[in-house]
Amino acid sequence: AQSVTQLGSHVSVSEGALVLLRCNYSSSVPPYLFWYVQYPNQGLQLLLKYTTGATLVKGINGFEAEFKKSETSFHLTKPSAHMSDAAEYFCAVSTQGGSEKLVFGKGTKLTVNP
Amino acid sequence: DAMVIQNPRYQVTQFGKPVTLSCSQTLNHNVMYWYQQKSSQAPKLLFHYYDKDFNNEADTPDNFQSRRPNTSFCFLDIRSPGLGDAAMYLCATSSRDRGRGTQYFGPGTRLLVL
Repeated sequence: AQSVTQLGSHVSVSEGALVLLRCNYSSSVPPYLFWYVQYPNQGLQLLLKYTTGATLVKGINGFEAEFKKSETSFHLTKPSAHMSDAAEYFCAVSTQGGSEKLVFGKGTKLTVNP
Repeated sequence: DAMVIQNPRYQVTQFGKPVTLSCSQTLNHNVMYWYQQKSSQAPKLLFHYYDKDFNNEADTPDNFQSRRPNTSFCFLDIRSPGLGDAAMYLCATSSRDRGRGTQYFGPGTRLLVL
């Protein structure tokens, strides 16, 4: 069975500081990995995804994530936080050629302080 | 732009009064999902359709039903809403053939039960 662990339910950074949101996954087969962002009272928006190929993935709004198979991690980073980045972030996993379902982490709420 | 549309964005119903939430998509995706999301939690999958093939999650209460009359539309019916059913309901779509598990979400319908 697959699972996703997001370390830290709340992360607080200052505007302009590095954003690092941690995600570790468990999967017995090669995973597809996703980061979604959710703003208040809105749906989930795809930030980026890893399916195959290059392990460093760039997404929207200046975010990127690196798939590290040896560490079973897919941490999300952004070099410089902006006030508009304040939102909830969800990491998710599905399996190649398998179920079309996603397994979500519990989410990390990012606060950006001026 | 291709998208997932949910109507209404906010729905107020009375305890025990049936309610229907709707979702439509212009992506021509063959898989459609319904999620329930409560405050500060990850989305919880209720069921999904692969074309007309309905797949219910084991822990989805019988109170929740769904219909997919065609590729573009999917409905969530709550037969007798209880106070515990107040939540955000998210519709999502994916392409089993092309999407590699990527799900695209609508803006959600927030349900309030009085």
